[in-house]
Amino acid sequence: QKEVEQNSGPLSVPEGAIASLNCTYSDRGSQSFFWYRQYSGKSPELIMFIYSNGDKEDGRFTAQLNKASQYVSLLIRDSQPSDSATYLCAVNTGFQKLVFGTGTRLLVSP
Amino acid sequence: ETGVTQTPRHLVMGMTNKKSLKCEQHLGHNAMYWYKQSAKKPLELMFVYNFKEQTENNSVPSRFSPECPNSSHLFLHLHTLQPEDSALYLCASSRSDRADEQYFGPGTRLTVT
Repeated sequence: QKEVEQNSGPLSVPEGAIASLNCTYSDRGSQSFFWYRQYSGKSPELIMFIYSNGDKEDGRFTAQLNKASQYVSLLIRDSQPSDSATYLCAVNTGFQKLVFGTGTRLLVSP
Repeated sequence: ETGVTQTPRHLVMGMTNKKSLKCEQHLGHNAMYWYKQSAKKPLELMFVYNFKEQTENNSVPSRFSPECPNSSHLFLHLHTLQPEDSALYLCASSRSDRADEQYFGPGTRLTVT
């Protein structure tokens, strides 16, 4: 069973803090990893992807990948109330097959 | 929102009805996908089409019938659904060589009564 696990939350952080979202996956052969943001009542939106071990930074977002530990994380620096959403971790387990986690709900309080 | 449109946005249907969901992408992609999103569950891949050919059927019941007449349009035909089929149905598209970079439509919120 190819699974992607996330803590459902909610993860509550104050405005300006760093939000850390975590994801583990079971398929050791997975090659690419994605973070989608989904606002309530909206569709998922791709915000980050990472293919190699280490960190990848894009603005306030940093994705971290550790293939040995089968662990992916997303850090959001200087969190804003507009970052409040559900963050979905997705893993490419093979040709055109993305496996999604259930998502972590993030709440950023002013 | 993203170049992928879906209609209708909301649908209420009885278990004996027949209805269809429509998806259209304006991104020049040639792969299209149907996903089901239920509360407290991960997004579930249902069907994948590449260049109009179905390449994935993820053990979906036959009461869901997809159709892809061309690379820009995708339909999901529904008949004799069950209340547990109530969910958000999302369409996505991608380039076939970048299948992991998918763009989603706004979804159809389906309620089966």
